[in-house]
Formats: sequence, C-alpha cells, structure tokens
Amino acid sequence: GEDVEQSLFLSVREGDSSVINCTYTDSSSTYLYWYKQEPGAGLQLLTYIFSNMDMKQDQRLTVLLNKKDKHLSLRIADTQTGDSAIYFCAESPTGGGNKLTFGTGTQLKVEL
Amino acid sequence: SQTIHQWPATLVQPVGSPLSLECTVEGTSNPNLYWYRQAAGRGLQLLFYSVGIGQISSEVPQNLSASRPQDRQFILSSKKLLLSDSGFYLCAWSEISGSKTQYFGPGTRLLVL
Repeated sequence: GEDVEQSLFLSVREGDSSVINCTYTDSSSTYLYWYKQEPGAGLQLLTYIFSNMDMKQDQRLTVLLNKKDKHLSLRIADTQTGDSAIYFCAESPTGGGNKLTFGTGTQLKVEL
Repeated sequence: SQTIHQWPATLVQPVGSPLSLECTVEGTSNPNLYWYRQAAGRGLQLLFYSVGIGQISSEVPQNLSASRPQDRQFILSSKKLLLSDSGFYLCAWSEISGSKTQYFGPGTRLLVL
C-alpha cells in the first residue's frame, strides 16, 4: 500500500526501553525521519537516518533501518515521563520532490 | 538560526466566516513551505506546498487556499469556513535541496462552531 504504518499506542514503565516501529513504502527513500509531538505543539525533529545506514545512535535514541523489509524503528533507552508524546516516522519518497510522507503516529505513554 | 512562527495560536470562528492563518520563517532564504492539517485522529494531511513566491501546489481539493506573497511568508485562507475545517494547522519549512528535513511551527488550533 501507500501508507506509512505505525502502531497507534505504546505503553511502557519509566526506566524501561521503548521501541516504536514503522513500516514505510518506498524502498528508494533517501532519508527516513523520526519526529516527536508533545500535546498542543508542533512536530519536533528527533533524528533522521540516511538510507545507506543500518543504525544511528544519538544519546538515548537508537534508529534501526531494515531496507529489505522497509522497516524503521526508534528505540528510546531509559524512558522518562517527558518522553510521553506522539512519535511520527516519515519517508522522503522518490519522485515526491521535497514532500515527506508521514506515518499515522504512535502515542507513547510512560507510566510510573 | 532559523525560526518559524505561526499566528494566531488559537482561533474560534463561526461557520461561514473567513480565515487567515499566517506563517513566517526567519533565518533562511527561498525555503520550501508547507501547510498541514492534523485532525483529531492525529494523522498529518498535507494541504499545500510552495517552492517559491507565488508558486502554490494544492494536494487536497477543499475550500481552503494558500498564498505566498513574500519569500518567507505563507498564508492559509478560506472565504467561508466549514465545521470540518476545525483542526490543528501546522506550517513547516525545508531547504530547497539537501536532506528534505522539514521543520515545523508551533501550530494554530482552529475551532469552527
């Protein structure tokens, strides 16, 4: 299909790791992104990965890319209550110009 | 550094009234500009994008329009609002080349009654 898919909800305990998954559509996408949206706010870029990479780590964030399966994941280590938000993945499809295709978003809830 | 502004932050309008939402970007030149709507169901819908002054591409037919009167100014308008126009409107910008990363403004929440 043409949709970038994510599960709708994820609940974790504070201190545990969170893994948010995304399946994208265009195997030729050059860049893949993760954005975070807190309630009532705009989207904040968390990180992005170039398509020739398998993994990217940035402090508590680890992005894994499986191009064969068109699967992208975001792992948040030592999840904190401040990580509660909606997380969007996005791809930059070939032929899309500068447009991005966003996933439906995963709402992460961190419980004490 | 680059910043993006949107106003107003919140707007309550009656059905049938006009609309004008403004977005401005600072610290960059000739950006690509985008308008998105985020309904209560959370997904982002691209409404319009612009690659230059006066150049607007519409993604979804609707009663909204967009204009870019200046390089770093993007305006979303409607002549007559519908109830279904309620939502959270997000403006974003990106460089004309490079990583295609989009940077978002704080959004405008519109409630049409």
